[in-house]
Amino acid sequence: EVQLVESGGGLVQPGRSLKLSCAASGFTFSNYYMAWVRQAPKKGLEWVATISTSGSRTYYPDSVKGRFTISRDNAKSSLYLQMNSLKSEDTATYYCARHGFGLGGYYFDYWGQGVMVTVSS
Amino acid sequence: DIVLTQSPATLSVTPGESVSLSCRASQGISTSIHWYQQKSNESPRLLIKFASQSISGIPSRFSGSGSGTDFTLSINRVESEDFSVYYCQQSYSLPTFGAGTKLELK
Repeated sequence: EVQLVESGGGLVQPGRSLKLSCAASGFTFSNYYMAWVRQAPKKGLEWVATISTSGSRTYYPDSVKGRFTISRDNAKSSLYLQMNSLKSEDTATYYCARHGFGLGGYYFDYWGQGVMVTVSS
Repeated sequence: DIVLTQSPATLSVTPGESVSLSCRASQGISTSIHWYQQKSNESPRLLIKFASQSISGIPSRFSGSGSGTDFTLSINRVESEDFSVYYCQQSYSLPTFGAGTKLELK
């Protein structure tokens, strides 16, 4: 059974940093692209970052580029999101997600339960 | 960025009705669209991939269609457990999601 378990969320002041972790199990982690997707309170879904199988390629939307860094440790089956210079608009539930893939691109086939990040003074 | 517009924002139905949810892309994206269901206080769940491909474990009453810019998620005979928010997502370029359609009990 595929399991994705996030941790590291909490309350942080604007301008500070936070690092999220995701522990994966039930599949060969190193074979899959992985991602972070967030959801602000009462809002829709927003893709935040994607990382390739080896970690050599990363992708971000403009809203977090330069502030967030996605990384992975295939030996530990773990995914990370380093968030710097946090803003109030980064307040959201952050989901770790596994990418499925086909000729038409990448989708999200498994999701973690999510971890809440609140940016407030 | 490719913008996905979902309509309607809210759809009120009674159990047993069949419904169609729309997702329109701001440019042609072939069949690079995927649908998710999110129940209250739960994580999203993949329902349909690449516009019409079924997902293991998803009830057969869920189906998808469309290509280019117009896509539809259909639910045949809505059941009580289907009242949720539904999102579309495109994979033609960097991922974006629609704003969602809330399916609620009339």
